[in-house]
Amino acid sequence: EPEVTQTPSHQVTQMGQEVILRCVPISNHLYFYWYRQILGQKVEFLVSFYNNEISEKSEIFDDQFSVERPDGSNFTLKIRSTKLEDSAMYFCASSPWSGNTIYFGEGSWLTVV
Amino acid sequence: QKEVEQNSGPLSVPEGAIASLNCTYSDRGSQSFFWYRQYSGKSPELIMSIYSNGDKEDGRFTAQLNKASQYVSLLIRDSQPSDSATYLCAVRSEGSSYKLIFGSGTRLLVRP
Repeated sequence: EPEVTQTPSHQVTQMGQEVILRCVPISNHLYFYWYRQILGQKVEFLVSFYNNEISEKSEIFDDQFSVERPDGSNFTLKIRSTKLEDSAMYFCASSPWSGNTIYFGEGSWLTVV
Repeated sequence: QKEVEQNSGPLSVPEGAIASLNCTYSDRGSQSFFWYRQYSGKSPELIMSIYSNGDKEDGRFTAQLNKASQYVSLLIRDSQPSDSATYLCAVRSEGSSYKLIFGSGTRLLVRP
């Protein structure tokens, strides 16, 4: 069964460093998302991406964050200068079309020290 | 601000019992509702989706939707210890991104 794959599974980074989280959405899916979950808290929407552009972003997704789909398969989330409060599990997700189920990757744990 | 509310639990039930999980949402225009299961440290895993008022059954799981009351529930029959997890209610936004808005989840403990 096709699945969303994410790398790395866990990354520890120093505060102020740049981090890139990578995702390969399910082939032929058209909508791509990043969510995050701080330990013990709810899953929060960060950004959605459709037709090679951001379709919506949350208040969390400030200028420190960016997304890119550099080729036909990868979807990346970049955090330019990490802060301690960026420590969370980051989930990539994709959906084949607007009305369908959103499928989640296994997540990337980011620890900022 | 569109909200999805769930009781955080834990909801503790004995093995074999019916577990009932509830969720309310604030956006009356919402059309699509999902239940995800999340084990500790893992990603959300889709259990059920429901779009119409009434019940929808899939194996041991039944989702119930009442749009007038803005209420969604999930029943798990014959609960097993392996069902112990956090259950997330999610409502899809009908805006341009079709993002999901999650509740904080209900932790379910099934006692052997």
